[in-house]
Amino acid sequence: KAGVTQTPRYLIKTRGQQVTLSCSPISGHRSVSWYQQTPGQGLQFLFEYFSETQRNKGNFPGRFSGRQFSNSRSEMNVSTLELGDSALYLCASSLEQGDGYTEAFFGQGTRLTVV
Amino acid sequence: QKEVEQNSGPLSVPEGAIASLNCTYSDRGSQSFFWYRQYSGKSPELIMFIYSNGDKEDGRFTAQLNKASQYVSLLIRDSQPSDSATYLCAVNMRGLLYSSASKIIFGSGTRLSIRP
Repeated sequence: KAGVTQTPRYLIKTRGQQVTLSCSPISGHRSVSWYQQTPGQGLQFLFEYFSETQRNKGNFPGRFSGRQFSNSRSEMNVSTLELGDSALYLCASSLEQGDGYTEAFFGQGTRLTVV
Repeated sequence: QKEVEQNSGPLSVPEGAIASLNCTYSDRGSQSFFWYRQYSGKSPELIMFIYSNGDKEDGRFTAQLNKASQYVSLLIRDSQPSDSATYLCAVNMRGLLYSSASKIIFGSGTRLSIRP
């Protein structure tokens, strides 16, 4: 069974640009969550999607957005990039049976560098 | 108060000894708890999950949960140098709009170093 796939693995962008990251969850998993990991802040929750609906959102500005498609694949977009957006962006997929008991499995991440 | 709190370490343990990692959480209604291991430059890897009060053992790993105290811990027996990593405690917290939604919040991690 294939794991969580994130593309691209590495990305270098300039301040002010926008970027789109992609995540394909494990087959059959309908919940996709996104996290930002930086040395200073650790793993910060961005948002979670389930069946194309955003169900939870972390404390990030509106420049960070996402969506989920009918095949559960998800994209995350960051507009007007700032130097502080440089981070490892991780996607996690969960089976999500709706009872609160679910494990999340991570992709390898996308390393974004803003210059 | 942070939602999930861990000591950042580093925690240094001699090879063969027991490493004990601790975590507290703020949401009393949380139902599922996880321990992830993250090697430098890699993504987090799930090593244990626990849903019920008490102990859960898997090989050299034992997770312990006390919901009344809002406390979860991980014990690593017979510690090996390959166990040196950052250990992340994670809690599945209730969503604001959808109580069943996955909102897995992580602690900042404890860096564990096993010395030969």
